[in-house]
Parts: sequence; C-alpha cells; structure tokens
Amino acid sequence: DAKTTQPTSMDCAEGRAANLPCNHSTISGNEYVYWYRQIHSQGPQYIIHGLKNNETNEMASLIITEDRKSSTLILPHATLRDTAVYYCIVTGTASKLTFGTGTRLQVTL
Amino acid sequence: DAEITQSPRHKITETGRQVTLACHQTWNHNNMFWYRQDLGHGLRLIHYSYGVHDTNKGEVSDGYSVSRSNTEDLPLTLESAASSQTSVYFCASREHMNTEAFFGQGTRLTVV
Repeated sequence: DAKTTQPTSMDCAEGRAANLPCNHSTISGNEYVYWYRQIHSQGPQYIIHGLKNNETNEMASLIITEDRKSSTLILPHATLRDTAVYYCIVTGTASKLTFGTGTRLQVTL
Repeated sequence: DAEITQSPRHKITETGRQVTLACHQTWNHNNMFWYRQDLGHGLRLIHYSYGVHDTNKGEVSDGYSVSRSNTEDLPLTLESAASSQTSVYFCASREHMNTEAFFGQGTRLTVV
C-alpha cells in the first residue's frame, strides 16, 4: 500500500468548510483512497473513498488530483461533532487497511 | 441491523494470564481484522483473516494469536499477557477490498 502524508493538526471554524489534504505520491493505478475518522476513543468510522473521480456523499466530498498523487477531503459545513482524527489510507488489492497517524481536526466556535 | 460487537468492553488482567477478546459480526463478511491503538500511535494491525480457517500476521503480531472457525467470529488471544499489551483493541470487518470497513467499539485491556 502507498504511503500517505497528512498534516498533524488543523483548526476550522464551525460552519466553515474543512479541507483536509493528503499526499500519496507513490499511489499505483489500482489503489483506492479511503478516508476514515475517529471521534475521541470510538472505533474508526468510514467517510468516503474513491479511485480517480471526485466523490460526494452525505458526509463529505473527496477531490482527487488528476495525477492521483494527492487528495482533499472536504467537510462542507463543519460542526463541533466533526472534531476528530481523520485518516487518509491508500489501499490496493489487499483488503487490510494500514493506518497512519492522521490529522487531528479541531472545530471551534 | 447488522453490526460488529466486541466483548468485553473493559478488562483488567494479570501479567502471564491468557486472555481472549471476542469479536462478532453479523454481516457475513469474509474479511476480519484486529488492531491495537496506543497513545501517540495510530491503529496498528495485529492479525487478520480473509475467511474461515485463514489467518495472517500483521505488523505487531508477537504475543497474539487468532483463529477463524466460522465467518462471524475472530477471537484474539493473548497467550501470556504482558504490560506492554495494555492497549485499546479494535476489531473490524469488511466485505471485500473495495468496500468500507466497519469497526467495533473497542476493548480497553489493562495488564497489571
């Protein structure tokens, strides 16, 4: 699985969009980009995933650059409940997920 | 609704004892995983299974074992608990590689 690089922490004002970047410059053609988050000490929660097209669901949008070497998770209107650690994971044919240290997002009033 | 459950949620055990943490999922997923999480670390993979009678070692498998006798369960056994195994343990399951993984609520294990 390709290695990912994320900022250690970010802040976002409530109601604003939170844009979380992820670099995965060694991604290969069959590898997907996944995003999970972990709120406090709960189990990680799936957010979204994509291969090369941009994706949107009820929680977030995923923007993947054309060369697929980086991506951005967008939470369009962040709330205090979105305060969490966000993990960007790149995985291919293996089903296992390898977690890095993620980005700690703090949403403030 | 389908779910994944871990038990117990909290456990305190003594050094040297054998401990088994249970993980049960009702989605009929073939793929199941055990992770541990320590302060300052992300989740680290202990063992995983791609189906009945299949088990594989993850990056931190020493001192742990798993067995997969049916689709629903993947128990994690600490053969002889050590203080270094004090951690929060998460179980997960996944249908296949292009689907989301579902995680349990975690088991907080303390070895004294």
